[in-house]
Amino acid sequence: AQSVTQLDSHVSVSEGTPVLLRCNYSSSYSPSLFWYVQHPNKGLQLLLKYTSAATLVKGINGFEAEFKKSETSFHLTKPSAHMSDAAEYFCVVSDASNTGKLIFGQGTTLQVKP
Amino acid sequence: DVKVTQSSRYLVKRTGEKVFLECVQDMDHENMFWYRQDPGLGLRLIYFSYDVKMKEKGDIPEGYSVSREKKERFSLILESASTNQTSMYLCASSFNRGIYEKLFFGSGTQLSVL
Repeated sequence: AQSVTQLDSHVSVSEGTPVLLRCNYSSSYSPSLFWYVQHPNKGLQLLLKYTSAATLVKGINGFEAEFKKSETSFHLTKPSAHMSDAAEYFCVVSDASNTGKLIFGQGTTLQVKP
Repeated sequence: DVKVTQSSRYLVKRTGEKVFLECVQDMDHENMFWYRQDPGLGLRLIYFSYDVKMKEKGDIPEGYSVSREKKERFSLILESASTNQTSMYLCASSFNRGIYEKLFFGSGTQLSVL
């Protein structure tokens, strides 16, 4: 069965410093992986997705993630945090049954300090 | 842009009441989903639907039912609300079943059962 584990429930960075949100996955097949972001009182929005075309995936707002099969990881990074990046981030894997179901990690809250 | 609209942002109900949560999408999407979001648990799938009058159980269907009489509308029903159903409920839709399909989310309904 597919699953994702977000290794940090809360990450705090200073504005202008790099962001690293960690995610490990478990999958019996070649997975489809996503990062979604949820700003306060807003719906979830897709940041980026991995579809096996390239291991380094670029998303919106300067975020990117690298798929590492050997480490079963899909960590989210950004070179320089902005105050507007403060939100909850979810690492997500697609269910293998091709039903369109998504399996969500527990979420990581990113705090950005001035 | 795809719009997924949930009928209520906040809802307060009493134990034992029958509760209806409504969701409408405006992009002719085939798939619709109901998730609940609880702190530290991420999003968990309650029910989903591929087509009108079709429904599939997700990971936590107990205590819930759904209805999809029209393609654009997906309703979640709590037959007899209980306090452990206090949660944020998120509706989502996607174009089809592919494993690379992204979900479009509504803003959520925060349900409190007293």
